[in-house]
Amino acid sequence: SAVISQKPSRDICQRGTSLTIQCQVDSQVTMMFWYRQQPGQSLTLIATANQGSEATYESGFVIDKFPISRPNLTFSTLTVSNMSPEDSSIYLCSVTATNEKLFFGSGTQLSVL
Amino acid sequence: AQRVTQPEKLLSVFKGAPVELKCNYSYSGSPELFWYVQYSRQRLQLLLRHISRESIKGFTADLNKGETSFHLKKPFAQEEDSAMYYCALTGLSGTYKYIFGTGTRLKVLA
Repeated sequence: SAVISQKPSRDICQRGTSLTIQCQVDSQVTMMFWYRQQPGQSLTLIATANQGSEATYESGFVIDKFPISRPNLTFSTLTVSNMSPEDSSIYLCSVTATNEKLFFGSGTQLSVL
Repeated sequence: AQRVTQPEKLLSVFKGAPVELKCNYSYSGSPELFWYVQYSRQRLQLLLRHISRESIKGFTADLNKGETSFHLKKPFAQEEDSAMYYCALTGLSGTYKYIFGTGTRLKVLA
């Protein structure tokens, strides 16, 4: 199994600022993903973090708003840029190794004022 | 379009009663279906997957391709089963992308 450390666990930010969320895994994994879970809604995939190259974004999400890095097989960051109250959500890092089972970080609860 | 539907936001049952959490899906291909669970103050974790055909914590789920369903069942609910349950689907061209349902909160009453 993979152990994921995600930080910060929560933050309160001002409108117009940016927040970078970190995801560290204790082992090399095949895929790393970033999800968003808005209040009362399902988990929505933001992007797949690709090692050494640009992330693959889902429809409705763009790199300028959610830049993602993955410099190696065990670490990734998601930045929420130029935040507005609509960005208030839980952001989740998840990973999968070779057996396609998803492991999740504990999430980052973001509130934008 | 690929979609996972969980029609119930909240399901309340008494301890010892049977539980069924519904999940229907829409997918043009051969999906893999999962149930994930999130207990209070814990992270999301895998409960079971259809290809394993196993029972975890007394829960089972059978993939019914004819009805495109993957309902989660337990014959006798326990208070510690109270949690948020998410049905999920993958199988999207080997990309490991998952689609999640909106979740069902299960409350087991004493």
